[in-house]
Amino acid sequence: SSELTQDPAVSVALGQTVRITCQGDSLRSYYASWYQQKPGQAPVLVIYGKNNRPSGIPDRFSGSSSGNTASLTITGAQAEDEADYYCNSRDSSGNHGVVFGGGTKLTVL
Amino acid sequence: QVQLQESGPGLVKPSGTLSLTCAVSGGSISSSNWWSWVRQPPGKGLEWIGEIYHSGSTNYNPSLKSRVTISVDKSKNQFSLKLSSVTAADTAVYYCARKIVVALSSTTFYYYMDVWGKGTTVTVSS
Repeated sequence: SSELTQDPAVSVALGQTVRITCQGDSLRSYYASWYQQKPGQAPVLVIYGKNNRPSGIPDRFSGSSSGNTASLTITGAQAEDEADYYCNSRDSSGNHGVVFGGGTKLTVL
Repeated sequence: QVQLQESGPGLVKPSGTLSLTCAVSGGSISSSNWWSWVRQPPGKGLEWIGEIYHSGSTNYNPSLKSRVTISVDKSKNQFSLKLSSVTAADTAVYYCARKIVVALSSTTFYYYMDVWGKGTTVTVSS
């Protein structure tokens, strides 16, 4: 089982704001990173660190963190944002491993 | 910019060894990054397999550690994955990725994977 917990599915109306969350003990100490994955494609990094976007990622994507919860917010969701979203962070067990959340399927209505 | 390309057999027999290579182009594998393997079974989420630094240091997923070996070939600018004693449960898309480590202090870090290969499908079947 994953040490990072995500809701399996979230939906949002076109143009509205949606928050996707990721919970885990490691997030009290380490930032999460977030990945978007569309069917048949490799994951794409969308948020890393405190709230950083790679070049080419729209500014409607933002990240935040509080306690053991990291959040990815999409402000003004577009149809092309429909995808699976995964968080990842450092393994909380003390080794130097990496762990992914189970993923959230975002549907844009 | 850095690009990654996975290669290897798409079909492996049960109890055999899965072997994949990730070629790094547009940059050096000896840069200060970790090089990772991630897999995704059909219809399921992402699972981190392990990683290697150009020095040869490795970290593995504890659930796979007994069967995984990751190695680096600096002369070819590539790194490789071997997974032994495979079963149908190892059927997945296998991705390689570059992992960046950012140090906030001498003891605090965070990670992210900024470059991914397109992935290669490996099926375990007789």
